[in-house]
Amino acid sequence: DGGITQSPKYLFRKEGQNVTLSCEQNLNHDAMYWYRQDPGQGLRLIYYSQIVNDFQKGDIAEGYSVSREKKESFPLTVTSAQKNPTAFYLCASSSPSGQGLNYEQYFGPGTRLTVT
Amino acid sequence: AQTVTQSQPEMSVQEAETVTLSCTYDTSENNYYLFWYKQPPSRQMILVIRQEAYKQQNATENRFSVNFQKAAKSFSLKISDSQLGDTAMYFCAFSPYSGAGSYQLTFGKGTKLSVIP
Repeated sequence: DGGITQSPKYLFRKEGQNVTLSCEQNLNHDAMYWYRQDPGQGLRLIYYSQIVNDFQKGDIAEGYSVSREKKESFPLTVTSAQKNPTAFYLCASSSPSGQGLNYEQYFGPGTRLTVT
Repeated sequence: AQTVTQSQPEMSVQEAETVTLSCTYDTSENNYYLFWYKQPPSRQMILVIRQEAYKQQNATENRFSVNFQKAAKSFSLKISDSQLGDTAMYFCAFSPYSGAGSYQLTFGKGTKLSVIP
């Protein structure tokens, strides 16, 4: 079945360590996104990518980095520079508008990151 | 920059009754899309319904319908015949028309809906 996978579901790290969250999709979507969700908050955009080897900062990119070497994969690295990294992270993907009404975003199941 | 406001942090409804969730947004864009997403306790984000701003007709999906008032920048969600499985966080989201293939979403803070048996 087509979909988006994020692994692991729960991730624990010590403060000061970088950590990479995985996001893979087999929907053949060009665009991919990373969001952060905090308690009592909506989702906030961290980074997005329209095509391979290209990505743009979202609203809260500081302390994060991404890469897009393959169409299927969009990993997010939470660096030690991120002051409050503990959060729920969601990955999403979407098709370009030229492929019909596919501007909606499909979400993965998320990764809960806890940094102590 | 766009903002999305959901003024009802929590709501409850009796099973089989109807409930309306409110959403207002602020934008200078003329072409955009609006969405309602549902997030059950599993935390999986599920698209409930979408509305293109250029369409005057309100979108409907089975028991879910919207009241889109473009001039008032209002986008409310009505759930009819509420079911226990509708218990979830509901997020209103806005996306400007991109034309470049990506659609960045701006979310409201959500409304926690509880359906009471």
